[in-house]
Amino acid sequence: DTGVSQNPRHKITKRGQNVTFRCDPISEHNRLYWYRQTLGQGPEFLTYFQNEAQLEKSRLLSDRFSAERPKGSFSTLEIQRTEQGDSAMYLCASSLDVGLETQYFGPGTRLLVL
Amino acid sequence: LAKTTQPISMDSYEGQEVNITCSHNNIATNDYITWYQQFPSQGPRFIIQGYKTKVTNEVASLFIPADRKSSTLSLPRVSLSDTAVYYCLVGPSNFNKFYFGSGTKLNVKP
Repeated sequence: DTGVSQNPRHKITKRGQNVTFRCDPISEHNRLYWYRQTLGQGPEFLTYFQNEAQLEKSRLLSDRFSAERPKGSFSTLEIQRTEQGDSAMYLCASSLDVGLETQYFGPGTRLLVL
Repeated sequence: LAKTTQPISMDSYEGQEVNITCSHNNIATNDYITWYQQFPSQGPRFIIQGYKTKVTNEVASLFIPADRKSSTLSLPRVSLSDTAVYYCLVGPSNFNKFYFGSGTKLNVKP
């Protein structure tokens, strides 16, 4: 257990529905990251926050995806109008903003879009 | 971010030492090398990080030659529980995203 928690751990939804995932980072970590991982591939960067500010977004993050970190603590990732291609593991990680600081990953939320 | 190349998979037996090499020919002067381990249905877990020469912790050793164009993760006396995917990442100390690639799937046999 790294101290990063994610909920839910699993989500099954129908195509076209909206889903929201939550990530609770390690409490003193001011950086928070979202990644997506499909079967057989490594995690792919989606976006990252420094406190409540979203500082970078990958091209993978289409307009249907939105992430927030309203008070600089937990974060949510919402996918609107889900598509079957959104099926993946969504991973959250956190770190301290002290330069050479590793990222600590949560267990992930596995999404299946039917 | 420097691109990395690793073997897709490796097999080993319990008790053996395993060495996984990662190539990163385009590594920049301020880049560090970091290795992560990932078990099925879990998030990646930090193993070790280094800049040059040799780094050792309670889990592994990391060997980095003088030209830094490659690095080798060494796992001493592996057990079945070391069966996992191992990722080599290269980036500056202040980098805010990781490029994982496909990693090396290590299969430890009894």
